[in-house]
Amino acid sequence: GAGVSQSPSNKVTEKGKDVELRCDPISGHTALYWYRQSLGQGLEFLIYFQGNSAPDKSGLPSDRFSAERTGGSVSTLTIQRTQQEDSAVYLCASSQDWIEQFFGPGTRLTVL
Amino acid sequence: ELKVEQNPLFLSMQEGKNYTIYCNYSTTSDRLYWYRQDPGKSLESLFVLLSNGAVKQEGRLMASLDTKARLSTLHITAAVHDLSATYFCAVDNAGGTSYGKLTFGQGTILTVHP
Repeated sequence: GAGVSQSPSNKVTEKGKDVELRCDPISGHTALYWYRQSLGQGLEFLIYFQGNSAPDKSGLPSDRFSAERTGGSVSTLTIQRTQQEDSAVYLCASSQDWIEQFFGPGTRLTVL
Repeated sequence: ELKVEQNPLFLSMQEGKNYTIYCNYSTTSDRLYWYRQDPGKSLESLFVLLSNGAVKQEGRLMASLDTKARLSTLHITAAVHDLSATYFCAVDNAGGTSYGKLTFGQGTILTVHP
């Protein structure tokens, strides 16, 4: 079946602009995660959604970052007033059983 | 704060040789994951280890978990070029109420030479 999809695959933006990154999880997966992968920080957890529960936002690096998940499916990660240090690959993962996470291809964000 | 450390960070192997990658973590957890990442690609799940003493094997790779020592190993047997990739271990961060918030190691870049 279809895996996790993310769009866009690449995004180049200017410092100070807002960006939105989209994640479509595997159908039926109730848990959705966002991670960030950068050269300096490695792979970092950002935020987690489980069903209708309040999301765990403990990994978001600043209040410029926010995410929502509509209808328990698609998720959007928004970064406001982007900074150069936001440049990274943003990975989305979904899970059916809280045990195994399946990762999407990622969105490579470059902030000029 | 949970810390996950892998070693070595860089591993250059000859084809046909054996080697082990180590993953140490700092706090109690009974869920450990191994992922593979090829250049420019996303993470591919290799193993999910859910209990002390768990051992899983797939092809030339075998992973084990010792929760008392807070140590997992990824053993490579008779390496082949196709195994060249970056390998990450990750530990579930939420303890007894685990929900999959993963903390990753730094990654081990494996290169297999003829």
